[in-house]
Amino acid sequence: GQNIDQPTEMTATEGAIVQINCTYQTSGFNALFWYQQHAGEAPTFLSYNVLDGLEEKGRFSSFLSRSKGYSYLLLKELQMKDSASYLCAVRDSNYQLIWGAGTKLIIKP
Amino acid sequence: IAGITQAPTSQILAAGRRMTLRCTQDMRHNAMYWYRQDLGLGLRLIHYSNTAGTTGKGEVPDGYSVSRANTDDFPLTLASAVPSQTSVYFCASSDDPDRGSGYTFGSGTRLTVV
Repeated sequence: GQNIDQPTEMTATEGAIVQINCTYQTSGFNALFWYQQHAGEAPTFLSYNVLDGLEEKGRFSSFLSRSKGYSYLLLKELQMKDSASYLCAVRDSNYQLIWGAGTKLIIKP
Repeated sequence: IAGITQAPTSQILAAGRRMTLRCTQDMRHNAMYWYRQDLGLGLRLIHYSNTAGTTGKGEVPDGYSVSRANTDDFPLTLASAVPSQTSVYFCASSDDPDRGSGYTFGSGTRLTVV
C-alpha cells in the first residue's frame, strides 16, 4: 500500500535549526511537496522536489533522495510564527497526491 | 474574491440531512479537489475534477457526490449525513500538475454531524 511517515510532533527553540523527516512508499514517484498548516487554517505550499538534492528557499530548504524514499524539510533561524504543522505529500505516478499526517512543530522561546 | 472561497465556514448538521458544501475559485485553475482532514490522519481525497465537466473518485468517496458544471465551482454534497462525516473539509485547486506550483486551498468548512 501507499504510506508516508513523518514524526507526530517536534519541539525546537527560537533561533535554532530543525529538520523534519519524511519517508514514503508509494506507487511510483512524480514529485514531493511540503506544506505548512497553522492551527485552524488551510495548508499553504512551501516547496516542491522532483530531482534528488536540496532546494533552498530563504529560511526553508527541502531535500529529496528518491532511491531512499526520503525527504526532509530544514527550517533555519526559527521564529515563533513557524509553530505549525508541516505536511509531506508525494505525487505518485498516477498524479495522485498522498499525504502524511503531518508533524506538529512547537517553537519555544 | 481572490483564491478559493468555501462556504459555510462551519456547520452543525443533524444526521440524515442533506447538505452541500460550496467551493468557488477565481484563478481559472483546471483541477479541483475535495479533501477531508481528521485528527491524526493525513488529508484524504474525496473527489476530484481534472477539468470542467469531468469528475473522479478519490480515496474516500462513499456518501459524497460532486459536480463540475463550470471551471469556477465545485460543490460537494452529502446526501444523508452520518456522524462519521464529522470532519474539516478543504477544497483545493491547481493549475498545472507538471508545474509543481502545488495546490491552493480554501479556508475549510468545519462540519459536525450529530
